[in-house]
Amino acid sequence: SYVLTQPPSVSVSPGQTASITCSGDKLGDRYACWYQQKPGQSPILVIYQDNKRPSGIPERFSGSNSGNTATLTISGTQAMDEADYYCQAWDSSTDVVFGGGTKLTVL
Amino acid sequence: QLQLQESGPGLVKPSETLSLICTVSGGSISGSHYYWTWIRQPPGKGLEWIGNIYYSGSTYYNPSLKSRVTISVDTSKNQFSLKLISMTAADTAVYYCARLSSSSSGSLDYWGQGTLVSVSS
Repeated sequence: SYVLTQPPSVSVSPGQTASITCSGDKLGDRYACWYQQKPGQSPILVIYQDNKRPSGIPERFSGSNSGNTATLTISGTQAMDEADYYCQAWDSSTDVVFGGGTKLTVL
Repeated sequence: QLQLQESGPGLVKPSETLSLICTVSGGSISGSHYYWTWIRQPPGKGLEWIGNIYYSGSTYYNPSLKSRVTISVDTSKNQFSLKLISMTAADTAVYYCARLSSSSSGSLDYWGQGTLVSVSS
């Protein structure tokens, strides 16, 4: 089965840029998306189709996907961005795969 | 605005069967670009995909759970459901229902609030 790998944790200072990676075999040949989950809440979609933002998601969230790695970038990180982030891919057999999640700490 | 709401028991005994329903409101479950999805999250852990169903009834399951899972759809009630047999403590989790949009490359764009299911005697 397909595996997506994320770093368990990333730290960033307020106002700086945070980058969270997601690695998988030939991930660039698929589309990746990203979810933000705060404690006690359901995940929300922040990036889909590698680099598109759903309505209501701030412009500071961006994404890229090439080769074996997809990256979620948060520019000008704010305290409110502290959360768990999950990458996800969906292959042609319609299986859904999640990465293990990354805890973003803003300090 | 589309809304999804999970319903079902919060406590299940070991070896019994979990039955959950997801009620979709604000839109039709019969849309041609959507798969209706169950996902779970054990306490303090990551997200795990359980399976999808298309409104026609086609199903897709996580291979690790396939032998124990059944997902069905009732288009007349705008609901889909999950059955998971032979529950153990390892199945304790928050269970989410969500909509997967194939036109948005498989992203889960709407989620329910989740329901905590504990397995204990």
